[in-house]
Amino acid sequence: QSALTQPASVSGSPGQSITISCTGTSSDVGNYDLVSWYQQHPGKAPKLMIYEVNKRPSGVSNRFSGSKSGNTASLTISGLQAEDEADYYCCSYAGSSSPFGGGTKLTVL
Amino acid sequence: EVQLVESGGVVVQPGGSLRLSCAASGFTFEDYTMHWVRQAPGKGLEWVSVIRWDGGSSNYADSVKGRFTISRDNSKNSLYLQMNSLRIEDTAFYYCARDIVPRVYYYYGMDVWGRGTTVTVSS
Repeated sequence: QSALTQPASVSGSPGQSITISCTGTSSDVGNYDLVSWYQQHPGKAPKLMIYEVNKRPSGVSNRFSGSKSGNTASLTISGLQAEDEADYYCCSYAGSSSPFGGGTKLTVL
Repeated sequence: EVQLVESGGVVVQPGGSLRLSCAASGFTFEDYTMHWVRQAPGKGLEWVSVIRWDGGSSNYADSVKGRFTISRDNSKNSLYLQMNSLRIEDTAFYYCARDIVPRVYYYYGMDVWGRGTTVTVSS
């Protein structure tokens, strides 16, 4: 049950687009289209932003999109806004477990 | 309003036991697979355990297997986590969360989260 690999930090200016990667293995990300992404602001509970690789829950902005290629999933945020500054975590079904990535801190410059 | 409320977090000594509870409201609890997720101070999210909507199957992270037991009482709209043989490294904020797709036992994504409860393991 290894954690998924994410970059520790990314940054971008308002209006720009950024992409956060999430690398797993053929036992998790590569084997199932069951990757989800979470946004967490300090002191708050995580919020689901993307599920099943590229689906957005009701109420989530269409500036957030997800994709997957092989063992790597990606979260793209377009039109960066100040309120997007947060920690982002990926998560994947892995047969019986559901490991998270280590998290990526997004800084909006 | 769809809501999850955790309780039961306290300070406990290493080797001790604790049971966390999660009260669900605003949705048909018996239709949903439920998870426990934890977050150590200043660290990332760690998936802990999952239980099928009917309680018929469950799974655990290797770090808690054999020490923690997840259960649910659908008649009380409640989820539980029995934590035994607690270690200092179990110190964390514990969240319960609902899987987004009802009546399936694949983990699609956790769309409803509680506010969490703090477990501190310390001598």
